[in-house]
Amino acid sequence: DAKTTQPPSMDCAEGRAANLPCNHSTISGNEYVYWYRQIHSQGPQYIIHGLKNNETNEMASLIITEDRKSSTLILPHATLRDTAVYYCIVRVDDSGAGSYQLTFGKGTKLSVIP
Amino acid sequence: DGGITQSPKYLFRKEGQNVTLSCEQNLNHDAMYWYRQDPGQGLRLIYYSQIVNDFQKGDIAEGYSVSREKKESFPLTVTSAQKNPTAFYLCASSPRTGRNTQYFGPGTRLTVL
Repeated sequence: DAKTTQPPSMDCAEGRAANLPCNHSTISGNEYVYWYRQIHSQGPQYIIHGLKNNETNEMASLIITEDRKSSTLILPHATLRDTAVYYCIVRVDDSGAGSYQLTFGKGTKLSVIP
Repeated sequence: DGGITQSPKYLFRKEGQNVTLSCEQNLNHDAMYWYRQDPGQGLRLIYYSQIVNDFQKGDIAEGYSVSREKKESFPLTVTSAQKNPTAFYLCASSPRTGRNTQYFGPGTRLTVL
């Protein structure tokens, strides 16, 4: 899996957009960008993933730069319940090869402030 | 509601006792996983199963055992051979061809006294 770099922490005002960056400069052509989050004392939660096109779902948007060396997860209207550690993971497609273990790095601790 | 359930949320056991953690899913997922998380640490894979009656060891399988008799159930037994069993245990599931999109249960926090 390609290495990712995320800021250790970020603050965001409630109701504003939270933009969480992730650098993955060594990403290869068949690797996807996945985002998960973990609220304290709960299991991780899958948010979104993408290859090269921008993606949006009911939780968030994922913007991947054209060179694919970085991406941004956007929570459009952050709430207090979005306070969590957010993890960016880069992995190859599910072709049957490689490890089944998801490797969560240190992530970004997002604090949503009232 | 579709999802993954783990029970109980908190579990206390005496040293030397085996204990079984429950994991059930109604997502119709083929693959299921068990992870362990220690304070301030990432997740480490204990066992995974891609299909009923089949499972493989992860990175830290020693002292643990699993079974997969039904698609929706993947119980984990923490045996007395596990040297440091106190941890947060997470169960997850995914479609067999979507293993990077894993859906996690709420976890069981096991404390061995």
